[in-house]
Amino acid sequence: AQSVTQLDSQVPVFEEAPVELRCNYSSSVSVYLFWYVQYPNQGLQLLLKYLSGSTLVKGINGFEAEFNKSQTSFHLRKPSVHISDTAEYFCAVSVWNRDDKIIFGKGTRLHILP
Amino acid sequence: GAVVSQHPSWVICKSGTSVKIECRSLDFQATTMFWYRQFPKQSLMLMATSNEGSKATYEQGVEKDKFLINHASLTLSTLTVTSAHPEDSSFYICSARDRNRLNYGYTFGSGTRLTVV
Repeated sequence: AQSVTQLDSQVPVFEEAPVELRCNYSSSVSVYLFWYVQYPNQGLQLLLKYLSGSTLVKGINGFEAEFNKSQTSFHLRKPSVHISDTAEYFCAVSVWNRDDKIIFGKGTRLHILP
Repeated sequence: GAVVSQHPSWVICKSGTSVKIECRSLDFQATTMFWYRQFPKQSLMLMATSNEGSKATYEQGVEKDKFLINHASLTLSTLTVTSAHPEDSSFYICSARDRNRLNYGYTFGSGTRLTVV
């Protein structure tokens, strides 16, 4: 079975500072990895995903993530955050051609400080 | 891009009544749809997976008779919360995917806030 661990439940960061949200996964087979963002009382929006190929994945809103197979990590980064980035961020994992379930981590709340 | 419409966005119902939530894929055929439940400040917990034309597969601990899922067409799945009670109050989110899409996309609805009083 697959699992996802987001190491930080909350991350405070000053506006225009860089941020890294950590995500580690566990799986006995190859997986696909995702980062989603959720604004209050809304659904999820895909930031980026890793399926194969280049381990550095660029997404929307200036976010990027790097897949590290040896460390089983998929950390999300942004070089300069804005107040509008305040939201909940979820790391997720799925196995293609299995039962297609996507399993979410517990989420990290990003607080942007003025 | 792929769009999933979820309705209603919020609903308040009396204890003991049933509530139906709809999830529609607007511009693609959703061979698989997923239903999640989210409690405040928590992650999304998968409730069930539904494939068009077949019975839904429920996750362990989810009551099949309480959360009825129907996926009768390639563009519509419904979740009915039967005999709702206050503990069923939550945020429900659906997700749909088209296995024919090469970019392997899951698309989420905007969620339904259910309050049972």
